[in-house]
Amino acid sequence: RKEVEQDPGPFNVPEGATVAFNCTYSNSASQSFFWYRQDCRKEPKLLMSVYSSGNEDGRFTAQLNRASQYISLLIRDSKLSDSATYLCVVGSYTGGFKTIFGAGTRLFVKA
Amino acid sequence: GAVVSQHPSWVICKSGTSVKIECRSLDFQATTMFWYRQFPKQSLMLMATSNEGSKATYEQGVEKDKFLINHASLTLSTLTVTSAHPEDSSFYICSANPTSLSTDTQYFGPGTRLTVL
Repeated sequence: RKEVEQDPGPFNVPEGATVAFNCTYSNSASQSFFWYRQDCRKEPKLLMSVYSSGNEDGRFTAQLNRASQYISLLIRDSKLSDSATYLCVVGSYTGGFKTIFGAGTRLFVKA
Repeated sequence: GAVVSQHPSWVICKSGTSVKIECRSLDFQATTMFWYRQFPKQSLMLMATSNEGSKATYEQGVEKDKFLINHASLTLSTLTVTSAHPEDSSFYICSANPTSLSTDTQYFGPGTRLTVL
């Protein structure tokens, strides 16, 4: 089993749609959680950190369920510019801080 | 926001040569930097954790004698791919976590695309 697993994708949605990405992690001792966005042939860029209380940033909402070891990202009112790969990232302190990336979910938003 | 640079941004070399990639934190100090590799259509794979003033910690399956890491200062880490072969062609990305911040947020460099002929 992979340490961080994401929806396989790709997701093809029309502009204005709401889309949800899911992610599960296997290390129950994980302490920090993030969603990153990666455009083709570019480095990942932090989209948002994820907290147990849930957090929202404009059209983006992230949720963390520690009991289920599950993370989600909701994008409302999708824009063409949201087309990218979304990476679920989990950090843990096991002999030093280390982050594990999910394989990513590709999103295509169509006009 | 914090800025991380990488140099070179791309490199093409012959098989058997060594290539050095630099990762710099431009406006913050980073005790720890990370090196990742990403093959086409795959996710980032952590190769090693670079610690300032001490030996790097390599992930399982990553040859430490092939991928030499030096973290000589709080703003610079280098990755040297020794005796590169075509299978080493990949996108190499570094990241750094600001020492002064209490969060685990990493800031990524723009990546170095290595092509070995």
